[in-house]
Amino acid sequence: GAGVSQSPSNKVTEKGKDVELRCDPISGHTALYWYRQSLGQGLEFLIYFQGNSAPDKSGLPSDRFSAERTGGSVSTLTIQRTQQEDSAVYLCASSLAGAGNEQFFGPGTRLTVL
Amino acid sequence: EDQVTQSPEALRLQEGESSSLNCSYTVSGLRGLFWYRQDPGKGPEFLFTLYSAGEEKEKERLKATLTKKESFLHITAPKPEDSATYLCAVRSSFSGGYNKLIFGAGTRLAVHP
Repeated sequence: GAGVSQSPSNKVTEKGKDVELRCDPISGHTALYWYRQSLGQGLEFLIYFQGNSAPDKSGLPSDRFSAERTGGSVSTLTIQRTQQEDSAVYLCASSLAGAGNEQFFGPGTRLTVL
Repeated sequence: EDQVTQSPEALRLQEGESSSLNCSYTVSGLRGLFWYRQDPGKGPEFLFTLYSAGEEKEKERLKATLTKKESFLHITAPKPEDSATYLCAVRSSFSGGYNKLIFGAGTRLAVHP
């Protein structure tokens, strides 16, 4: 079946602009995660959604970052007033219900802030 | 603080030359250690999950092992198609960490013919 998809694959923006990144999880996966991968760094957890529960936002680096998940499926990560340090690959993953299942990753969105 | 350290950062092997990658971890109650493979421009691809010391799992030329402080990914007779970055991650039982994976920076493996 189809895997996790993300769009756009690449995004170039100017400092100060807002961007939206989209994630379509695997059908039937109720858990959805966002991670950030900076050059030469490990993946950094951003946010976790599970069903209708309140999301775990503990990894969001600042209040410029927000995410929502509509209808328990598609998720959007929004970065307001982008800064150059926001440049990274943003990865989305999904898994079956509960945090104990393997996470399957999408191809990522490469964000470049000029 | 939960932490994962991978070594070496980069490894170059000749085809057929077996070796091991290391993942050292410090975690508040291990609830799983994960190995992923990542090819350039792609998301990580799941390989293994290990839960308790002494556990081993194998897949083709890869074998993952786990102790109380570290995990090894053994690569036997590697081929050029095994070239990738290998990522190690842990999940802890600490309530704040249970939902997320803590990743190491990865080991870049290059296998040359």
